[in-house]
Amino acid sequence: DTGVSQDPRHKITKRGQNVTFRCDPISEHNRLYWYRQTLGQGPEFLTYFQNEAQLEKSRLLSDRFSAERPKGSFSTLEIQRTEQGDSAMYLCASSLSSQGKLFFGSGTQLSVL
Amino acid sequence: AQSVTQPDIHITVSEGASLELRCNYSYGATPYLFWYVQSPGQGLQLLLKYFSGDTLVQGIKGFEAEFKRSQSSFNLRKPSVHWSDAAEYFCAVGASEAAGNKLTFGGGTRVLVKP
Repeated sequence: DTGVSQDPRHKITKRGQNVTFRCDPISEHNRLYWYRQTLGQGPEFLTYFQNEAQLEKSRLLSDRFSAERPKGSFSTLEIQRTEQGDSAMYLCASSLSSQGKLFFGSGTQLSVL
Repeated sequence: AQSVTQPDIHITVSEGASLELRCNYSYGATPYLFWYVQSPGQGLQLLLKYFSGDTLVQGIKGFEAEFKRSQSSFNLRKPSVHWSDAAEYFCAVGASEAAGNKLTFGGGTRVLVKP
């Protein structure tokens, strides 16, 4: 497998701007997860999809955040009106099933100035 | 709600020495437990997981972990550490079988390996 790909690797933006990240999971994986990791902390669950359906969203995911997986393949995570507190590493992961091995991408590092 | 505590933020160990990383969880039902490793610039990699059965779990790279329900612990061990084991290690708990990969992570333990 080619692994989970995330784009871009790094994003620097000014406060108030919108940003969008992309995740390409392993092709046959039907579950896709987004996590956020701040410096010195473990990853925090944000949301997950089974195929194109978004099954759960964490309360960490404010109204400024939206995630989609339109055809059950790649996913996007958009943050509107970014704030400095949004600065973090955004991790995507995929698995074949709810209990299948979870494969993580290398993440998108967001810096909001 | 479940939670995970990794009491040690940093651990320094000499190459060839044994390593034990502590993990304590809080969860009312049977937990689904995981250990992940994160090397700089790389994604998180699963070392091992415990769902049920034998409480001593073998993983990749020579790691093992033991589930102790009475102590709410899932400590990770390796008998002889290699320099390549220097990384950050995360313990995680899953809420249920259906949501097995919706994980709550601990804060991590950074392992430094001395030559």
